[in-house]
Amino acid sequence: QQQVKQSPQSLIVQKGGISIINCAYENTAFDYFPWYQQFPGKGPALLIAIRPDVSEKKEGRFTISFNKSAKQFSLHIMDSQPGDSATYFCAASDTGNQFYFGTGTSLTVIP
Amino acid sequence: EPEVTQTPSHQVTQMGQEVILRCVPISNHLYFYWYRQILGQKVEFLVSFYNNEISEKSEIFDDQFSVERPDGSNFTLKIRSTKLEDSAMYFCASSVASSYNEQFFGPGTRLTVL
Repeated sequence: QQQVKQSPQSLIVQKGGISIINCAYENTAFDYFPWYQQFPGKGPALLIAIRPDVSEKKEGRFTISFNKSAKQFSLHIMDSQPGDSATYFCAASDTGNQFYFGTGTSLTVIP
Repeated sequence: EPEVTQTPSHQVTQMGQEVILRCVPISNHLYFYWYRQILGQKVEFLVSFYNNEISEKSEIFDDQFSVERPDGSNFTLKIRSTKLEDSAMYFCASSVASSYNEQFFGPGTRLTVL
């Protein structure tokens, strides 16, 4: 059972462009939605997270948009940079401990 | 900056052998986790551990798996009789508290079962 569905699998964006990664979930008990960034050879690192009481959260160039009724959330990376090239995972949790991860999106930002 | 460390970085073992993966969580953290990531697939939760006992575990964490905090610094994952399908990257993570606190991940141990 796939708790969290993530798309696209891979994404290529020009430097300065906007990268958008989408996730959808089924379990309405989920109440915590983090995004993780993973560079090759490293473990995932928390990028930004949102609770369902808000529809948007912004931290620098990274924004999470959350649509509770549609059970969807997305990560927007504004002014994408080559250093943003990494794999991005969305996740969801209903306990704050066990995270259900999406399948990941490999982002490549072309200079 | 404090970080989670894991050893070894790569472990190769024969099917049926026991392996122990080791992690040193961040020193003031109280909650510890193991995840695995099969090559090219998503990260999957295995188990969370607090106060010397398992607090949550997934369906993947069956009787062949066990976790232990043998001393004040290490956190280990033991796989008793490895199978080919156990080949994956295993990540340890820790957090200062439970419930919606940031989990800090280690760099992972790549386990290859032959």
